[in-house]
Amino acid sequence: GDSVTQMEGPVTLSEEAFLTINCTYTATGYPSLFWYVQYPGEGLQLLLKATKADDKGSNKGFEATYRKETTSFHLEKGSVQVSDSAVYFCALSDRGDSSYKLIFGSGTRLLVRP
Amino acid sequence: SQTIHQWPATLVQPVGSPLSLECTVEGTSNPNLYWYRQAAGRGLQLLFYSVGIGQISSEVPQNLSASRPQDRQFILSSKKLLLSDSGFYLCAGSMTANEKLFFGSGTQLSVL
Repeated sequence: GDSVTQMEGPVTLSEEAFLTINCTYTATGYPSLFWYVQYPGEGLQLLLKATKADDKGSNKGFEATYRKETTSFHLEKGSVQVSDSAVYFCALSDRGDSSYKLIFGSGTRLLVRP
Repeated sequence: SQTIHQWPATLVQPVGSPLSLECTVEGTSNPNLYWYRQAAGRGLQLLFYSVGIGQISSEVPQNLSASRPQDRQFILSSKKLLLSDSGFYLCAGSMTANEKLFFGSGTQLSVL
């Protein structure tokens, strides 16, 4: 079945460092891909998404490009801030009937130090 | 905007006891609703989803059940909890024509 694999955490960076969180997926069809973020004490929030190959999702300085040839959707940010400390989840959607399902990776905790 | 209320935030229950987790939705009607679980060290796993009142689809066989007695209410239940039911339970919703999910804050369940 469909699955998502994320790099193990935690990832610890200094402020203004470059961030990459790797995500690869396995899917039989043409899924949409997502990054969700969970800040401490809050629920999951959609960070960005891409719905087809070569699409680039971006939000709050984060970017991820849908790479069909490598089945990847790596999350990047050029300069992280302390406020970016959170858990990041890569996910894909599998549409069926009148609803759809999200399949998540295991999450990667990011800790940004001042 | 849509909001999901989920409670309690944490719960400790003995093995063999019943469970009822409730999730309610505000700000929209006729949402698709989902129960996810994250066991320690694993990804979020879809347990149940519902496209309407009384309509429940189960994704994995397990010790749990779900019900949707009202449009904006989604309940996760168990008659007898097992140790393996421990985990983080997350309620989520979406609109059919829009892929964006909105989430509750989750319940950390520990079965001892």
